[in-house]
Amino acid sequence: QQPVQSPQAVILREGEDAVINCSSSKALYSVHWYRQKHGEAPVFLMILLKGGEQKGHEKISASFNEKKQQSSLYLTASQLSYSGTYFCGTENTGNQFYFGTGTSLTVIP
Amino acid sequence: DSGVTQTPKHLITATGQRVTLRCSPRSGDLSVYWYQQSLDQGLQFLIQYYNGEERAKGNILERFSAQQFPDLHSELNLSSLELGDSALYFCASSPPSGRGSLHFGNGTRLTVT
Repeated sequence: QQPVQSPQAVILREGEDAVINCSSSKALYSVHWYRQKHGEAPVFLMILLKGGEQKGHEKISASFNEKKQQSSLYLTASQLSYSGTYFCGTENTGNQFYFGTGTSLTVIP
Repeated sequence: DSGVTQTPKHLITATGQRVTLRCSPRSGDLSVYWYQQSLDQGLQFLIQYYNGEERAKGNILERFSAQQFPDLHSELNLSSLELGDSALYFCASSPPSGRGSLHFGNGTRLTVT
């Protein structure tokens, strides 16, 4: 049930781009993306609904391939503040909401 | 501030004991979700309630139970606690449609000694 994310960890220099992938074995209604700083609560970034794509932030965007049950998060021109652990969350048709395994992103100067 | 309130912030208790975690959702939200996050691990879905009714169940142990009250606050009860239950427990709420972004409380850190 838990979606799988890749990569597990990424280290970037400021200004570089990154892609985080999320895939599920179940049919999905929606995909969410969240960022969690150490010791803090996850914060919502964006949601992608079946049949559409929604952009939540200026330099952070995402795609959702319904047929493949996959989503990707794109971070462009990364900033130090982007550091954290990124989780995708998938909602299936049974209303269950599972988070992925997480991707640790570290942006260094 | 997400608008979701969790209490207490920290709990330290011994093995075999029982504790209750409380969550108040954002004003207007009808759904409440509970998640467990062990040290540096992912978020494990436990259970979801919608307007007082259980809507979805995840990997929740039989020693754990939850409920959502008429005023929409929710409680997660953990009993016969084991060392492995030590974790950060998050509550989240979502809009009345039952589907939408999740807004998380700051979590309750449970330490079982």
